[in-house]
Formats: sequence, structure tokens, C-alpha cells
Amino acid sequence: DTGVSQNPRHKITKRGQNVTFRCDPISEHNRLYWYRQTLGQGPEFLTYFQNEAQLEKSRLLSDRFSAERPKGSFSTLEIQRTEQGDSAMYLCASSPSGRNHEQYFGPGTRLTVT
Amino acid sequence: AQKVTQAQTEISVVEKEDVTLDCVYETRDTTYYLFWYKQPPSGELVFLIRRNSFDEQNEISGRYSWNFQKSTSSFNFTITASQVVDSAVYFCALSETLTDSWGKLQFGAGTQVVVTP
Repeated sequence: DTGVSQNPRHKITKRGQNVTFRCDPISEHNRLYWYRQTLGQGPEFLTYFQNEAQLEKSRLLSDRFSAERPKGSFSTLEIQRTEQGDSAMYLCASSPSGRNHEQYFGPGTRLTVT
Repeated sequence: AQKVTQAQTEISVVEKEDVTLDCVYETRDTTYYLFWYKQPPSGELVFLIRRNSFDEQNEISGRYSWNFQKSTSSFNFTITASQVVDSAVYFCALSETLTDSWGKLQFGAGTQVVVTP
């Protein structure tokens, strides 16, 4: 299977702890996106990478959030000092370069902060 | 401000009925892209269709069809002869170009489709 994969699928953590999620995009895709989805809402954009360069960050991405894509392949999203409001589904998507190709999404990581 | 509006929260139909999902968008760009995605209970978003702003030709792909009208900023989606497996949340999304060249998607709130046997 060469789709987008995300790990872990579920994460339960206590408030104040740090968590890290991983996304492996489709191998030939240069673009990688992170989105957050809360219950009953559509996904909201968080950040975007073109190869290893992080080119845009949403205002939703507070200083507690950091994302990397060190070699232009997989990406990690870290949340420091988690808060209950961080509870959500974190989605990763990838696409080829070029204008507005469709994005292919992974299964997501569901974060629950207790 | 919400750029994509899906006014229908939930639609319930009986199998074999047609389902039309409404989507209204807002943009100042002249070049933009519109998408429909499906999110089944498993949670993974599945790409369905894409349309660019220069192509208003409506098409049919299997049981799916769409009606794109720039004059009313609408991009409606129809499932013909619905099946139970069509039960999912359907999202309409917009990707702008002039204001954002990186292709990030702006989603509506989604419409839950429930198809009963």
C-alpha cells in the first residue's frame, strides 16, 4: 500500500505532556500538509511543506506546535504542553507539486487530552 | 470568515434515491479550484472530484455528478441511486491561487449523508 500513513492512530495524554505525531506521505509527493479536525467540523489547515521547507503556518498553530520534514520525506508534528483544547483529529495529506493537485489524506491521529 | 458554506447538516434518504449536496463558496480570485471529499465512518478523507474555475462544464462520473455555477458561486454534488455505502460526511473545499499559491484546502463544515436500506 503506497497511501499516506500516520502514526499513532490514537493518542491519549494528560494535560501538560508533549506529544509527537508522524506522517509518511506518498513517496513521490513533494507537498505535505497538516490539518486539524474537531468534531462536527471540516478540517482546518495548520501548515504546509514543499520538500523540506515549511512555507506556511496557520494562525491556529500556536508556539506550542512545531512541525518538521527534515529530509523532505516523512514529517512530524509536535505539541508541547498539551491542553484539552488540543483534542482533535490531526490529518496529514500529500500531493504532487504543481498547481492545486488533489490532496491525498492519511487516516489521521486522534488526540485526546485528559 | 467562512469561505465555504454547506448549509445542509444532515440528509437522510432511502436507498436508490438521489442525493444532492449544496456548496456555496466565496473568493475574490479568478482562478481557483473546488473539490469534494468523502469521509466515511472509518475517518479517512477520500478525494472524489476536482473542478477549476475556468471549466463550468458539468460532468457525470459513474453515480456522481456535479453542477458548477460561477454566477451563483455554487458547486453542488449529486449521488444518483444512492447506496448504503454512500453513508458518510461529504466535504466541499476551496483552493485559492492569487491569495494562496500553496494549494491549502479550505473546507466547509460537511454534510452527513445517511442512506438506509
